[in-house]
Amino acid sequence: SYDLTQPPSVSVSPGQTASITCSGDKLGHKYVSWFQQRPGQCPVLVIYQDNRRPSGIPERFSGSNSGNTAALTISGTQAMDEANYYCLVWDSSTAVFGGGTKLTVL
Amino acid sequence: EVQLLESGGGLIQPGGSLRLSCAASGFTFSGYAMNWVRQAPGKGLEWVSVINGNDDATSYANSVKGRFTISRDNSKNTLYLQMNSLRAEDTALYYCAKGWGATPGGPFDYWGQGTLVTVSS
Repeated sequence: SYDLTQPPSVSVSPGQTASITCSGDKLGHKYVSWFQQRPGQCPVLVIYQDNRRPSGIPERFSGSNSGNTAALTISGTQAMDEANYYCLVWDSSTAVFGGGTKLTVL
Repeated sequence: EVQLLESGGGLIQPGGSLRLSCAASGFTFSGYAMNWVRQAPGKGLEWVSVINGNDDATSYANSVKGRFTISRDNSKNTLYLQMNSLRAEDTALYYCAKGWGATPGGPFDYWGQGTLVTVSS
């Protein structure tokens, strides 16, 4: 089965840039999506097809994917961005989530 | 406005069965693959199953294969998950999530609020 690895936690100061990585074998050959989940809420799609933003997602969210690593970058991080973030790919007909990264804004 | 409303969760004994439903509105239901995703208490997201828009192709996570069955009724705009031989490790909040197109693959652009399944004696 396909595995995705994310760091358990990332910390960032308000206004700075946060980067959350997602690693997997030949990940650059797959499309990666990213989801934000605030406590007590359902996940929200913030990036799809590696670097595309759904309508309503702020421009400070961006994504990249190359080689074995994808990254979600949040520029000018705000307190409201504090949440858990998950990457997602499809491997054949099955979907795989990364283990999740808790972003702390302090 | 897209809405997904899950129901059917509850407390069930190990070995028991439960059927979850997800009522969809605000989009052409038959035109999109639909997924079930679960989240154990305090844990991350785990994809469970997908069904394509035409109800002729399904896929399952290894952890539920042979025990869970996904289905849909496009005339009722409803997605289902039949869960049999439930185990303690199936305890989770179960979300339905809308796929990007008629076939599996792509992101999940809308999620319901989830229904809680607790497997315990």
